[in-house]
Amino acid sequence: QKEVEQNSGPLSVPEGAIASLNCTYSDRGSQSFFWYRQYSGKSPELIMFIYSNGDKEDGRFTAQLNKASQYVSLLIRDSQPSDSATYLCAVKVDSNYQLIWGAGTKLIIKP
Amino acid sequence: KAGVTQTPRYLIKTRGQQVTLSCSPISGHRSVSWYQQTPGQGLQFLFEYFSETQRNKGNFPGRFSGRQFSNSRSEMNVSTLELGDSALYLCASSNRDKNTGELFFGEGSRLTVL
Repeated sequence: QKEVEQNSGPLSVPEGAIASLNCTYSDRGSQSFFWYRQYSGKSPELIMFIYSNGDKEDGRFTAQLNKASQYVSLLIRDSQPSDSATYLCAVKVDSNYQLIWGAGTKLIIKP
Repeated sequence: KAGVTQTPRYLIKTRGQQVTLSCSPISGHRSVSWYQQTPGQGLQFLFEYFSETQRNKGNFPGRFSGRQFSNSRSEMNVSTLELGDSALYLCASSNRDKNTGELFFGEGSRLTVL
């Protein structure tokens, strides 16, 4: 069974520090990897996606993919209280358009 | 560009009743996926419709059904409601033609079953 694993948290990080969120997946055929952010009471919104091994940076966010280790992470630099949310990792396995979702990690940025 | 619109936003039903939720995707998007979200369970995939055909289906009982119309709008129906059906139901649209896998979510329909 194809699975995506995330630590549910909460992960508490002081303001201004780097928050590191991790996700592992079981299917080596996974092609695309997505990080969604969901504020309490709101719907998920896409932050970043990554297809290739290595790092992808967008502002304060960096996604890191290691296909050999079946591991994808999201780093948030200079964390702000507004980053407090649940972060969902999703994986697109193959030509099937369905995404496999992790349960999400709750991130709390403490002022 | 208008986003994904879900109606109703909130509703309260009693056990045994049925409910129909509606989703209008982003203009040009022909794929609509439905998810159930409950505290601690994450996003549970219900089904996906593309060009009026169900393309994928999650592991939910037959009480959960859906359909898609020619204008890509989609509805999902839950019959014989149970207390455990209380959840946030999210609709997401995507552009399958781009094959990126990116989903755009609506605000959700929060269902409470009493």
